[in-house]
Amino acid sequence: EAQVTQNPRYLITVTGKKLTVTCSQNMNHEYMSWYRQDPGLGLRQIYYSMNVEVTDKGDVPEGYKVSRKEKRNFPLILESPSPNQTSLYFCASSFSDSLQETQYFGPGTRLLVL
Amino acid sequence: DQQVKQNSPSLSVQEGRISILNCDYTNSMFDYFLWYKKYPAEGPTFLISISSIKDKNEDGRFTVFLNKSAKHLSLHIVPSQPGDSAVYFCAASDGNSGNTPLVFGKGTRLSVIA
Repeated sequence: EAQVTQNPRYLITVTGKKLTVTCSQNMNHEYMSWYRQDPGLGLRQIYYSMNVEVTDKGDVPEGYKVSRKEKRNFPLILESPSPNQTSLYFCASSFSDSLQETQYFGPGTRLLVL
Repeated sequence: DQQVKQNSPSLSVQEGRISILNCDYTNSMFDYFLWYKKYPAEGPTFLISISSIKDKNEDGRFTVFLNKSAKHLSLHIVPSQPGDSAVYFCAASDGNSGNTPLVFGKGTRLSVIA
């Protein structure tokens, strides 16, 4: 089944404790991205990757890192999480870097930073 | 400055009637628009899109209208069904490349009442 998976789905952590949210897609997609969804703000893009070893900042990259060592995986890294990073995170992928290609979203990761 | 605006946070519609969700944008460079639907605890799923060379695109019960001069698009759902109850996000891009990420609106919560 074609899908985007994220792990973990739920995470409670404390300020400053490094964490990684994994994202994996099995559709051989080139383009992957991370979004956060916050009440009243909708979806905002954090980082995106157009292909292996090619990443770039989105609208709200501060406090986040990503890597794209393999085509299928695009982990989101919070080196020192802070409470303002409490949010719902979505990973997405699409076949090419054309935004006319449908983006497929993962199920989301709900993060609480205490 | 919010480039994509969904000014109605919520909308209630009777089953069988028409649902009209509105979206306004400010960036005249946007040339591709998409609607995503999101159920609780799931990632957004692509619904329908429209290119700026068109003013209407239809897919079953869903039709998107684009008025470029007014920088306005709308999603019509006819007839509305209880399963359409979800949050709908409007998104836009100003290019055909992953270098120009999607910009999302804040979303409109549609409730279809049986």
